[in-house]
Amino acid sequence: EVQLLESGGGLAQPGGSLRLSCAASGFTFRSYAMSWVRQAPGKGLDWVSAITGSGGSTYYADSVKGRFTISRDNSKNTLYLQMNNLRAEDTAVYYCAKDRGLLLRGFDPWGQGTLVTVSS
Amino acid sequence: DIQMTQSPSSLSASVGDRVTITCQASQDISTNLNWYQQKPGKAPKLLIYDASNLKTGVPSRFSGSGSGTDFTFTISSLQPEDIATFYCQQYENFPPTFGGGTKVEIK
Repeated sequence: EVQLLESGGGLAQPGGSLRLSCAASGFTFRSYAMSWVRQAPGKGLDWVSAITGSGGSTYYADSVKGRFTISRDNSKNTLYLQMNNLRAEDTAVYYCAKDRGLLLRGFDPWGQGTLVTVSS
Repeated sequence: DIQMTQSPSSLSASVGDRVTITCQASQDISTNLNWYQQKPGKAPKLLIYDASNLKTGVPSRFSGSGSGTDFTFTISSLQPEDIATFYCQQYENFPPTFGGGTKVEIK
């Protein structure tokens, strides 16, 4: 069974940093692209970033480009999201998700999410 | 970015009713569309991919159709466990974008 378990969320001040992790199991991690998708409180879903299986290519939404960095450690089956210069509008539940097949053709499954709150 | 417009934003129906949700893309996306279900307090789950293909294990009362710019998601007979918010998502163009969601409640 595929499992994704996020961690690292919490409270950060505006301008601060957090690093999210997503531990994966139940599939050949290095063979799949992975994404982060976020959901602000009471709002809809918003794709944030993706990385290919090898880690050689990364992709970002305009809203986080230059502030967030996605990476992965295939030896540890773990996905990361380094979030710098955080803003109040980054407050959301952050989900990691396995790509359905080819890059960015859908997300399945998703982790349970980790809440990031940016506030002074 | 491709804009995805879902309607209605919410609906209330009785158990056993047929429920239909529409999703309109701002440009032609062929059949590059997924549907997700998000139950309260839970992560989204993929139900339908490539506009009309039911993911293995998903009940057959769920279905999807459409191509180009107009898509439909249907629950043939609403069950109490279907209470959730449903989202469409396009992957024709980068970045992938989601519709605003349709909240389904029991009348």
